[in-house]
Amino acid sequence: EAQVTQNPRYLITVTGKKLTVTCSQNMNHEYMSWYRQDPGLGLRQIYYSMNVEVTDKGDVPEGYKVSRKEKRNFPLILESPSPNQTSLYFCASSSRGPATNEKLFFGSGTQLSVL
Amino acid sequence: GQSLEQPSEVTAVEGAIVQINCTYQTSGFYGLSWYQQHDGGAPTFLSYNALDGLEETGRFSSFLSRSDSYGYLLLQELQMKDSASYFCAALNTGGFKTIFGAGTRLFVKA
Repeated sequence: EAQVTQNPRYLITVTGKKLTVTCSQNMNHEYMSWYRQDPGLGLRQIYYSMNVEVTDKGDVPEGYKVSRKEKRNFPLILESPSPNQTSLYFCASSSRGPATNEKLFFGSGTQLSVL
Repeated sequence: GQSLEQPSEVTAVEGAIVQINCTYQTSGFYGLSWYQQHDGGAPTFLSYNALDGLEETGRFSSFLSRSDSYGYLLLQELQMKDSASYFCAALNTGGFKTIFGAGTRLFVKA
């Protein structure tokens, strides 16, 4: 089954404790991206990757890191989480090219709480 | 700055037609997408317009006017299960960023 898998689904942590949210897709997609969703703000892009070893900042990259060592995986790293990073996070992927239908496939989300 | 504007809430009756509008201000605009999200779920793709005009997919249609920086999602024969949030999203040619609107909450009443 074609899917984007995120883990964990729920995560409660404390300020300053490094964490990683994993994301994996099995559709051989080149493009992957991370979003955070906050009430009234919609989804805001954190980082995206056009291909292996190619990443770029979205609109709200501060406090986050990503890596794209393999095509299928795109982990989101919070080196020193703070309470303002409490949010619902989504990973997404697509087979995006210049003339490709813009269809993002989303993971099921990670609800992060930073105390 | 770059932004998309859509109504925060829309209410309609089962069986009716509803239109959700989206106006955008982005640089390097490439296309407009629509996503549906039920409470507790992930966004799912509904439709995409790169060119002006209407795209139809079953009960859902999406329209784009690039000259007006405007698009809409049309939902026909509304069903209770259509109660959800709907997001428009602009694809930006400059690096393939995607910018989402804040979402429109659709309530379908019996």
